[in-house]
Amino acid sequence: DVKVTQSSRYLVKRTGEKVFLECVQDMDHENMFWYRQDPGLGLRLIYFSYDVKMKEKGDIPEGYSVSREKKERFSLILESASTNQTSMYLCASSARDLEAFFGQGTRLTVV
Amino acid sequence: DQQVKQNSPSLSVQEGRISILNCDYTNSMFDYFLWYKKYPAEGPTFLISISSIKDKNEDGRFTVFLNKSAKHLSLHIVPSQPGDSAVYFCAASATGTASKLTFGTGTRLQVTL
Repeated sequence: DVKVTQSSRYLVKRTGEKVFLECVQDMDHENMFWYRQDPGLGLRLIYFSYDVKMKEKGDIPEGYSVSREKKERFSLILESASTNQTSMYLCASSARDLEAFFGQGTRLTVV
Repeated sequence: DQQVKQNSPSLSVQEGRISILNCDYTNSMFDYFLWYKKYPAEGPTFLISISSIKDKNEDGRFTVFLNKSAKHLSLHIVPSQPGDSAVYFCAASATGTASKLTFGTGTRLQVTL
């Protein structure tokens, strides 16, 4: 079974803090993704990576950065958290052209 | 600009009947489509997909239909079961593969006894 693990289920951070969301997959997948899910907006792609040290912006990259130093790990960084970044964050991974497998999500609240 | 639209936020169906979930898209470059199912407090799980070279794909109780001229796809669940109660997301890709997806807003399906 593919396993995509996100380091936290729930996180509360203060405005202006630097926030790290970690994601690890155990299936040697090339692709990894970060989405956020908001009511009425569905899932929106923030960043994705198709190889180690490679990254591409998704649809809503502003205020975020990512890091992929190892194939199995993809980190999402909120440089200076703001209240409008309160959301459910979902990490996913996929083999090259195949469907993505998602982690359980991290519900981030910025106060 | 929502390129993938699910106009029904919710749907209620009786157990044993057919559930039909609809999805419309505007980007004519989309050529691969998927449905994901999401339970509360869990990540989405892949359900079924269809390439634009097909108009139908079936997997057990789940069938996806694609109408390219109308830019419309639908997911049929027959027969519906209480365990099917979840949020269903339609997703599309312009790469011919399941990578880099654009998701719809989701439809909450409730299957009642």
